[in-house]
Amino acid sequence: QSVLTQPPSVSAAPGQKVTISCSGTSSNIGINYVSWYQQLPGTAPKLLIYENNKRPSGIPDRFSGSKSGTSATLDITGLQAGDEAHYYCGTWDSSLSYAFGIGTKVTV
Amino acid sequence: QVQLQESGPGLVQPSQTLSLTCSVSGDAITSDGKYWTWIRQRPGQGLEWIAYISNSGSTYFNLSLKSRVTISQDTSKNQFSLKLSSLTAADTAVYYCAREAAGVSALDFWGQGVLVTVSS
Repeated sequence: QSVLTQPPSVSAAPGQKVTISCSGTSSNIGINYVSWYQQLPGTAPKLLIYENNKRPSGIPDRFSGSKSGTSATLDITGLQAGDEAHYYCGTWDSSLSYAFGIGTKVTV
Repeated sequence: QVQLQESGPGLVQPSQTLSLTCSVSGDAITSDGKYWTWIRQRPGQGLEWIAYISNSGSTYFNLSLKSRVTISQDTSKNQFSLKLSSLTAADTAVYYCAREAAGVSALDFWGQGVLVTVSS
């Protein structure tokens, strides 16, 4: 069980757009930055978005993040087969632990 | 480029203590604003944050694991380590080490992970 709620799965055709939501509370998303991580099958997670909407070097602009109140969103546009992965949101919680969402599986 | 590499036993017996080490290259574990972190992922499950040790040696733990976790650093080897005691089958997981940088408020570099199985 996680304090951050994500849909278990989303899917779309190649070239389309998917949106992944991450719902939290005033104890976590409401007061802290949100990050997003991509985990391709059999690999370690990789940072995709930090501080709600910033991309590390090398991350294409097809990936974008936003935050409003106690929720955050990851958008993936121009969906590609290589985007099939699990996506996790993460943020600090006032319980003094870093919290991850349960993860969303993206199917192309 | 920052790189992290976990090392440790792949199989540990129940009730024993797991010891893992993360070797870091491309950054000093004593450099300012860095938090050296352990995360685990049970088979088929999501990510669980375990603990971190900061560049200054301060530590922070997941409250649900705090009584069983020790985290330490060896600055001479640029490594940090995790010990998890009183193991059960529920501790079977891939264990990752990662860096959290204050400048990005995120886990920006990860190791490849090491699978630890708790079984007799």
